[in-house]
Amino acid sequence: GEDVEQSLFLSVREGDSSVINCTYTDSSSTYLYWYKQEPGAGLQLLTYIFSNMDMKQDQRLTVLLNKKDKHLSLRIADTQTGDSAIYFCAENGNTGFQKLVFGTGTRLLVSP
Amino acid sequence: EPEVTQTPSHQVTQMGQEVILRCVPISNHLYFYWYRQILGQKVEFLVSFYNNEISEKSEIFDDQFSVERPDGSNFTLKIRSTKLEDSAMYFCASSVEPGTNEQFFGPGTRLTVL
Repeated sequence: GEDVEQSLFLSVREGDSSVINCTYTDSSSTYLYWYKQEPGAGLQLLTYIFSNMDMKQDQRLTVLLNKKDKHLSLRIADTQTGDSAIYFCAENGNTGFQKLVFGTGTRLLVSP
Repeated sequence: EPEVTQTPSHQVTQMGQEVILRCVPISNHLYFYWYRQILGQKVEFLVSFYNNEISEKSEIFDDQFSVERPDGSNFTLKIRSTKLEDSAMYFCASSVEPGTNEQFFGPGTRLTVL
């Protein structure tokens, strides 16, 4: 079945780059997503990448996809304290109406 | 900026009671979803809804659950007879099309079953 795994915790200093990693099992995924969840809030879509792309850049965010290894990463440049949150990787299968399968979430803590 | 809204933000109920969780998706969106997140666990898909019918549902979405779009704006999740294990955060989401499937999530309803 589909499964998405992430490391649970990442701590960085303000101004550094953060790299959050994700592995998935469903090779039929057409899109992969990164969501951000701040305390007490819902899931905010940050960015997504189509499965035939290797990289996508969106301002401070860079998504890298290694389809062969089923590995997805999110790099946040110049990390700020406001980036502290839980980051979820998600993939859709090839199921037509496209439920999302989420990872466990990575808690990013940015210290001043 | 349009957003998905959910009410109530927190619902406390007794085991065996019925609850209805409400969502207002983004107005031009056509696809609607419910997910749940039990404390400390992954966000799990429950059901997707399109054109006034369920398009996909998970194993969690058993006969105790139902969804409805009673009018042009609301999308509801009903749990007929709540169990302790239904305690979770329930998220509604919507998307305009299944292509890129950018799903926009509401803030969630925290359901506590006592």
